[in-house]
Formats: sequence, structure tokens, C-alpha cells
Amino acid sequence: GEDVEQSLFLSVREGDSSVINCTYTDSSSTYLYWYKQEPGAGLQLLTYIFSNMDMKQDQRLTVLLNKKDKHLSLRIADTQTGDSAIYFCAEPLNYGGSQGNLIFGKGTKLSVKP
Amino acid sequence: DAGVIQSPRHEVTEMGQEVTLRCKPISGHNSLFWYRQTMMRGLELLIYFNNNVPIDDSGMPEDRFSAKMPNASFSTLKIQPSEPRDSAVYFCASSFLGEGQPQHFGDGTRLSIL
Repeated sequence: GEDVEQSLFLSVREGDSSVINCTYTDSSSTYLYWYKQEPGAGLQLLTYIFSNMDMKQDQRLTVLLNKKDKHLSLRIADTQTGDSAIYFCAEPLNYGGSQGNLIFGKGTKLSVKP
Repeated sequence: DAGVIQSPRHEVTEMGQEVTLRCKPISGHNSLFWYRQTMMRGLELLIYFNNNVPIDDSGMPEDRFSAKMPNASFSTLKIQPSEPRDSAVYFCASSFLGEGQPQHFGDGTRLSIL
């Protein structure tokens, strides 16, 4: 199948680290993406990782990629209430004529408690 | 920089009426995507265009839905006649053409059909 899978909910306390996990489908995917959706807004590109990397760090965000297991994770350090949102994992849909198309997971709703 | 612009932001109408959603992609982008988001189904791709040409409309739920892209800077999604089950948030996204290009989303149109 072509499903990108994520757990639906995650709840953490402010100041803790959050880890959002994703399993993708195509081992040949060149880029993998994390999008963030705040209430009432569209999806915003948060970060991405190229497939020849194992890890990418950007301030409080760390993306880990395990290509063997087709597993992607997003770690948010020192989670703040402003990080409360839905986080989507996405990979390119790779077949003829599909250029530009992405497959999105169903999203993980992160709730940060003060 | 202007992002993807959608209008209207909110639309409330009675069933049976025609609804037209509009999208202006980011200048220079040559792929455009229409999505629908609901609690039950999550984010669904309805149709996408490359260089103004519809590539895949398999996600369009019924013949009541149609989409056009008359030029590189404008697209419409039309529902005629509308039904209550069409109530959702509709997103437009654009990107550069090519595998793995990140998509940039508008803020969506929240559609309510009474």
C-alpha cells in the first residue's frame, strides 16, 4: 500500500522533549518532509531531510531517518505551548507522471500541557 | 513574499447552490494541488495540475466537483450542486515541478453547506 503512518495523538508537558514518529513507504524517496498545521491555518513546511542523511538538526528540531526501517522521526526539544499543532509526515509519490505529488500521513496532534 | 492565496476564507451556503473556491499560487510555481481536509478522512488530494494541465483527478469525489486552471496564476474548484457532506476545509498548494519539491499551502477555505 501507499500509506504514510503516524500515531494520531501525543501529549507532553511544557519543557519536555516531543518525539513524533512516522513510517513511510518508498525506500527510494529522495526527500521526506515534516509539516506543521496550527488551528485555522494551512500546512506549513517545518523541515525536511534528504535521503542520504541520517540526521538533520535545526534549532530545537531534530529529524532522524532510518532508511532500512523506513522510519522518520521529529524531535522537538524544550517543547513549548506554541508547538501545539498537528504534525504531518510526507514523502514524494514516485511513479510516472506523479512529479510533485506528496503522500501525507494523517497527522499527529501534539498537545503541550503547561 | 506572497504565499498561496485562497478566497474566500469562509463560505456558508445552502445545499444545492454552486460554490466556487479560488486559488492564486506562488508566482513561478508550476504545480498546483487541491486538497480537502475533514476530521473523518484527514487530508485528501482532490486534483493536481502541472503547467496548468490536470494530471490526476482521481481524488475528485464526484462529477459535482470540477477544477480549472486557465493560467499559471489562477485556479478554481467548483462544486455544483453542493451538498452538506461537502463541508470541509479546502486547501490549495503550489510547488515547483519535480520530484520531491515541497508544497506550499494556502490558509484554506472553510466551507459549510447547510
